[in-house]
Amino acid sequence: EVQLVESGGGLVQPGGSLRLSCAASGFPFSKFWMSWVRQAPGKGLEWVANIKPDGSEKYYVDSVKGRFTISRDNAKNSVHLQMNSLRAEDTAIYYCASPYPSGNNGLPAWGQGTLVTVST
Amino acid sequence: DIQMTQSPSTLSASVGDRVTITCRASQSISSWLAWYQQKPGKAPNLLIYMASYLESGVPSRFSGSGSGTEFTLTISSLQPDDFATYYCLQYNSFRIFTFGPGTKVDVK
Repeated sequence: EVQLVESGGGLVQPGGSLRLSCAASGFPFSKFWMSWVRQAPGKGLEWVANIKPDGSEKYYVDSVKGRFTISRDNAKNSVHLQMNSLRAEDTAIYYCASPYPSGNNGLPAWGQGTLVTVST
Repeated sequence: DIQMTQSPSTLSASVGDRVTITCRASQSISSWLAWYQQKPGKAPNLLIYMASYLESGVPSRFSGSGSGTEFTLTISSLQPDDFATYYCLQYNSFRIFTFGPGTKVDVK
């Protein structure tokens, strides 16, 4: 069974940093792209970042470029999102997601999400 | 980057109604489109991928069609469990993704 479990969310002040983690199991993690998606309170889904299986390519939504960094550790089946210079508008539930079992079917596998609140 | 629009933003319907939601891409995405259902407090659930393929376990009353820039999600006979928000997702390359703004289906 595919499992994605996010952690690391919490309350942080504007300008602060937070590192999210996603532990993956139940599929060959090192062979698949991984994604982070967020959802601000009462708002729609927003794709945040993608990382290639070997970590050599990373892509970001414009609003987080230069502030967020996606990374992965294939030995530990985990993907991370380092978030710096956080703003109030980054407040959201952050989900990690995977295209397993194939790259043709969008993102069928999602974690339960972790809440990030940026506030004084 | 590819922009996605969805219409309508809200749809009021009754159980048994046929419901259609439209998603448009700002440029051709071939068939690289997925549809999701999301209920409050839950992660999104994949319904349709590659524009028209039904995800395993999803009821057959859900169907998808379209290619290029215009896509539709149809619920043939709305059931009580279907009141939710629906999103389209373009994944034309596994580089930049874009979600549509969402369509909330509520009770008429």
